[in-house]
Amino acid sequence: QKEVEQNSGPLSVPEGAIASLNCTYSDRGSQSFFWYRQYSGKSPELIMSIYSNGDKEDGRFTAQLNKASQYVSLLIRDSQPSDSATYLCAVKRGGGFKTIFGAGTRLFVKA
Amino acid sequence: SQTIHQWPATLVQPVGSPLSLECTVEGTSNPNLYWYRQAAGRGLQLLFYSVGIGQISSEVPQNLSASRPQDRQFILSSKKLLLSDSGFYLCAWRTSGTSGVGEQYFGPGTRLTVT
Repeated sequence: QKEVEQNSGPLSVPEGAIASLNCTYSDRGSQSFFWYRQYSGKSPELIMSIYSNGDKEDGRFTAQLNKASQYVSLLIRDSQPSDSATYLCAVKRGGGFKTIFGAGTRLFVKA
Repeated sequence: SQTIHQWPATLVQPVGSPLSLECTVEGTSNPNLYWYRQAAGRGLQLLFYSVGIGQISSEVPQNLSASRPQDRQFILSSKKLLLSDSGFYLCAWRTSGTSGVGEQYFGPGTRLTVT
């Protein structure tokens, strides 16, 4: 079992729709959760971090965390073609120095 | 604000040649520093991390090495490159400490092609 699992996609949604990206993790000691966006040929860019169960909203993005189910998700409302990228889920334990990254989900937003 | 630099941006090297990639961070002190490699269409593979000057932890046995000669400088090296070393090399930093919070921020990356 991978430590952080994501559906590789591609996930295709029409412009204006809600894109839902999901991630599961195996380490119950995980305390910090991150979503990164990576455009083709570019480095990952942090877009959201979440540390407590529930929802966290930032503009069109909402991160959702359920530690009991070991599940993290990212919702993108009013998806735009510029949101087309690979989205990486990342997880970190409470102690230690390492962050574990999922392999990413490719999102295509069709105009 | 903090800034992270990597160079070179792209590199084409023959098999068996040496490698030196450099990463520097500005605007923060005593950061945790990381080297990752991303093969084409793949996820991020952690290669090395450092919590201080001269302190290097290796995650994957290979022909690569890392050094941290200064607080905000991290160098990735190889004496002899292999074809399998091709990839996108990313340096990242986070604030020091092992607390639960602490996002990682990535540099622009170096795209290495070994021919």
